[in-house]
Amino acid sequence: GQQLNQSPQSMFIQEGEDVSMNCTSSSIFNTWLWYKQDPGEGPVLLIALYKAGELTSNGRLTAQFGITRKDSFLNISASIPSDVGIYFCAGLTLTNDYKLSFGAGTTVTVRA
Amino acid sequence: GAVVSQHPSWVICKSGTSVKIECRSLDFQATTMFWYRQFPKQSLMLMATSNEGSKATYEQGVEKDKFLINHASLTLSTLTVTSAHPEDSSFYICSASSSGSFEQYFGPGTRLTVT
Repeated sequence: GQQLNQSPQSMFIQEGEDVSMNCTSSSIFNTWLWYKQDPGEGPVLLIALYKAGELTSNGRLTAQFGITRKDSFLNISASIPSDVGIYFCAGLTLTNDYKLSFGAGTTVTVRA
Repeated sequence: GAVVSQHPSWVICKSGTSVKIECRSLDFQATTMFWYRQFPKQSLMLMATSNEGSKATYEQGVEKDKFLINHASLTLSTLTVTSAHPEDSSFYICSASSSGSFEQYFGPGTRLTVT
C-alpha cells in the first residue's frame, strides 16, 4: 500500500501532559483511522475520519482529517498512564480494495 | 459491538508441521477479512484479503500455497500455515469489516513460534 509517514516515532509522556502525533502521505486518502495497540494484543480502533477537515473526538482523544486529504493528526489531552502503547495511523483509498496502509507507529511511554 | 476473536492466542509447533489459526467476528457479519503479520517493533504487514465465499487475494511476496486462507462463512476465516519453518514465527493478526464499511476491527492476535 501507499507509504504513510508517521511521527514522532516515539515519545515520553508525563501524566497530565497533552500528546500529539501525525501522519502524512504523498497520496490522497478517503478515510483515516487511528488505532492503539498494547503489547501482545491486536490494534483497537480509536477514531475514524471520513471527510476532509473533519475533527472528531473520543473522550480525551481528538483527531482531524487534513484539508488536503494527505494528512491527519491525533491529540491526547491530559494523558494518563494507560495511554502508554503504540499508536498507528491508517489510511484507505476506495481504489485500493478497502486495504489499509499503515504508518510505522508512535510508541508512547511514561517518562520516569 | 464489533468484536473479533482469534484462536489460539499462542501456539508452538515443530518445523514441518501445519498450524491453523481461526478468526471469528462475534457480533457482526464480516464480508471481508484481512490477515496481517507483525514482527517485533514493526507495523502491520498485510498478507491477504478474503471475501466470504471467494478465493483470497494475496499481497505480493506472500506464498498462497504456504498460507492457506479460507473464508467459508460470514463469521469465520482461517489461516493455515503449512510446513511451518522457524522464519514463519511471528504475530499473526486478523481483522474484519462488514459490507460497505471502511472500518476494520482487529482480533487479539496469535503468537506463532516454530521450533
